[in-house]
Amino acid sequence: DTAVSQTPKYLVTQMGNDKSIKCEQNLGHDTMYWYKQDSKKFLKIMFSYNNKELIINETVPNRFSPKSPDKAHLNLHINSLELGDSAVYFCASSQSVNTEAFFGQGTRLTVV
Amino acid sequence: AQSVSQHNHHVILSEAASLELGCNYSYGGTVNLFWYVQYPGQHLQLLLKYFSGDPLVKGIKGFEAEFIKSKFSFNLRKPSVQWSDTAEYFCASPMGAGNMLTFGGGTRLMVKP
Repeated sequence: DTAVSQTPKYLVTQMGNDKSIKCEQNLGHDTMYWYKQDSKKFLKIMFSYNNKELIINETVPNRFSPKSPDKAHLNLHINSLELGDSAVYFCASSQSVNTEAFFGQGTRLTVV
Repeated sequence: AQSVSQHNHHVILSEAASLELGCNYSYGGTVNLFWYVQYPGQHLQLLLKYFSGDPLVKGIKGFEAEFIKSKFSFNLRKPSVQWSDTAEYFCASPMGAGNMLTFGGGTRLMVKP
């Protein structure tokens, strides 16, 4: 029973393509997040979604867009992929904005 | 600007050595602090957390951290490390717009057998 699950685990695609990463949590949490981890392991918060309120890290390009069909899902859509988008993307969820987050296994995106 | 910082980027220790990893935060008010661990090729897992109360917090796998308000610090400690502790360690805290959980730059710990 995986608490936070992401698919796919690996994604290899060409520059310019549009791709999506799915995330689902079965913990009943109210808040979900997307993080980008670069090759130096730096974790950058991209989005936070809590009770239909989306908080966006202003440094994230608008090619990235989260979509939440319901409270248990927060999918990440990326348009016009660039080489610099290659990274590991982690989804996470928490009961509320100030509590600990539970992470998915990550999606390794490689743009060629 | 609010931030969480980790000054040790790489730490190399021998087994049984003691560990202390630094974490500093730069904001006032209510403080919630976390330490996460990421083993090679895996996702992040919570080691311990501090919300209020006893400033010395015990976590899993023998880790502990001490919240020192006067120093704006929340350093992670372990008296005797094992080879299996080799991992990336992250300090984190909710901050900024929406109180998003924000991570420090991470510390890579390598424990030599």
